[in-house]
Amino acid sequence: SQKIEQNSEALNIQEGKTATLTCNYTNYSPAYLQWYRQDPGRGPVFLLLIRENEKEKRKERLKVTFDTTLKQSLFHITASQPADSATYLCALQNYGGSQGNLIFGKGTKLSVKP
Amino acid sequence: DGGITQSPKYLFRKEGQNVTLSCEQNLNHDAMYWYRQDPGQGLRLIYYSQIVNDFQKGDIAEGYSVSREKKESFPLTVTSAQKNPTAFYLCASSTQGSLAYEQYFGPGTRLTVT
Repeated sequence: SQKIEQNSEALNIQEGKTATLTCNYTNYSPAYLQWYRQDPGRGPVFLLLIRENEKEKRKERLKVTFDTTLKQSLFHITASQPADSATYLCALQNYGGSQGNLIFGKGTKLSVKP
Repeated sequence: DGGITQSPKYLFRKEGQNVTLSCEQNLNHDAMYWYRQDPGQGLRLIYYSQIVNDFQKGDIAEGYSVSREKKESFPLTVTSAQKNPTAFYLCASSTQGSLAYEQYFGPGTRLTVT
């Protein structure tokens, strides 16, 4: 069956360290993979999109990798800050899917301690 | 100030009553979506619309209905047939015609049915 998994429900790190979040999928052939940030009680906010033929994408302190052989995306936040504390969602879009078919993972709750 | 608005933020209803959640966008996006989010679960797609006067069922459409009479508006009705209506409901929109797109989310409506 098709599955998208984010490695852990929660991740606690110290301020200044690099946070690494994992998104694994099975039985999908994603054309694109996206990462969103969601704060409690609010809607998700788009962060980055990476295409299947891209290995890596960067935006300020954020870096995303996409390995279609391992069926995995890694999301890194370097020099993390308490303000980075939030839930991070990965979402993928399959080849051949209609525009409605963005499939979301359950998210990883990141806590950055001062 | 462009964006998506959802109202109300909190909604309380008695079991057996239909309730309509509002979603409006001024981003000039063609596509709009409704998701449901439950604790510990990923976002699940209820309905989506790629163009005015047309919409498709998502993964969990049973007990819900939508309309798309205007480009800007995509209201969701939670009917009494929905067995577990208490949840956080998120509306989103995106551009049409591009294979790679990000979704813009509203602030959400938390519905409680007792």
